[in-house]
Amino acid sequence: KAGVTQTPRYLIKTRGQQVTLSCSPISGHRSVSWYQQTPGQGLQFLFEYFSETQRNKGNFPGRFSGRQFSNSRSEMNVSTLELGDSALYLCASSIYLAGELFFGEGSRLTVL
Amino acid sequence: AQSVTQPDIHITVSEGASLELRCNYSYGATPYLFWYVQSPGQGLQLLLKYFSGDTLVQGIKGFEAEFKRSQSSFNLRKPSVHWSDAAEYFCAVAYGGATNKLIFGTGTLLAVQP
Repeated sequence: KAGVTQTPRYLIKTRGQQVTLSCSPISGHRSVSWYQQTPGQGLQFLFEYFSETQRNKGNFPGRFSGRQFSNSRSEMNVSTLELGDSALYLCASSIYLAGELFFGEGSRLTVL
Repeated sequence: AQSVTQPDIHITVSEGASLELRCNYSYGATPYLFWYVQSPGQGLQLLLKYFSGDTLVQGIKGFEAEFKRSQSSFNLRKPSVHWSDAAEYFCAVAYGGATNKLIFGTGTLLAVQP
């Protein structure tokens, strides 16, 4: 059974650009969550989607957005990148809400 | 505000020794509790979880954790550590029932001496 797949794994952007990260959940999983991991702030919740509906949103500015498609795949977008957006972005999928989360290996974003 | 505290940033143990990693959460209705492990360059892997019932839960790789409501704690234990256990360990809680919104602790980095 394939795990959670995140693309791209690594990317470098410059300030002011935008970026789109993709996440393919485990087959059959309808819930997708996104987390940002930085050395200073640790792991912070970004969004949570279930059956294409955003169920929860973390305390991030409006530059951070996401969506989930009918096949449960999810994307997150960060516009007008800032240096502080450099982080490992982790996607996790689950069959249910409050279920066991399966994490991908992450997309490491560097903003120059 | 809801929070999770892992008081030990870094722990070093000898291979074969026992291990206990501490986790405390802020007061509220009994949350769902989790321990995850992260190896360098990897995502997070769930070790174990507590939703309700028996307060001593068994997980993968020989780990166990005990939920103590009176102390708002969910400490992770392993009787004998292996070199491959070196990694970063995160305690997490989910409040409010049906959600995968987790609040993570700051993590404990475990080093294992031969």
